Amino acid sequence: SQTIHQWPATLVQPVGSPLSLECTVEGTSNPNLYWYRQAAGRGLQLLFYSVGIGQISSEVPQNLSASRPQDRQFILSSKKLLLSDSGFYLCAWTGTAYGYTFGSGTRLTVV
Amino acid sequence: AQSVTQLGSHVSVSEGALVLLRCNYSSSVPPYLFWYVQYPNQGLQLLLKYTSAATLVKGINGFEAEFKKSETSFHLTKPSAHMSDAAEYFCAVSDRSGGSNYKLTFGKGTLLTVNP
Repeated sequence: SQTIHQWPATLVQPVGSPLSLECTVEGTSNPNLYWYRQAAGRGLQLLFYSVGIGQISSEVPQNLSASRPQDRQFILSSKKLLLSDSGFYLCAWTGTAYGYTFGSGTRLTVV
Repeated sequence: AQSVTQLGSHVSVSEGALVLLRCNYSSSVPPYLFWYVQYPNQGLQLLLKYTSAATLVKGINGFEAEFKKSETSFHLTKPSAHMSDAAEYFCAVSDRSGGSNYKLTFGKGTLLTVNP
């Protein structure tokens, strides 16, 4: 069966520090991968998605970037974190149009 | 472009009462529609989905939703609320016009509180 792993679960980082969040999927090949951010009262905001290795689409201009170095690996990065980058980050995957499977999320607090 | 509106950011019900969470969508093509549930500090879990088959869709944990094209709605219901239903619920619509990117657009969520 397919599983999705996301880590770390929680992260506290100072302003100006770098960021790397990782997401991996097991049990499938060539999945679509997505990064969402969830801020209080603002629902889920799609940040990036990828339909294949090295293919990244950005939805919102921001301080973040994404990469897909391997088929089932999706990485969210920042060179210098801002206070406004705080939030709950969710990775998701799908192989069809019939909905996503989400990871357990990373709570990022920028201090 | 599609959009989702969830009416009511917070719904409070008594245990055993009917749960009704409202969702209206806008889509230029026949939509796929979804309801997800999120417990605190967890990812989202799929409750149910509408993908052009039966308009009344049954999901997990006793929830169901009815697709009404004329009203552009996909409201989520459960006949009798349980304390364990307390969570945040998200409605989502799939962008079927975007090829194989399968993007979902989510509503802002409805926080369900269940009172004993």
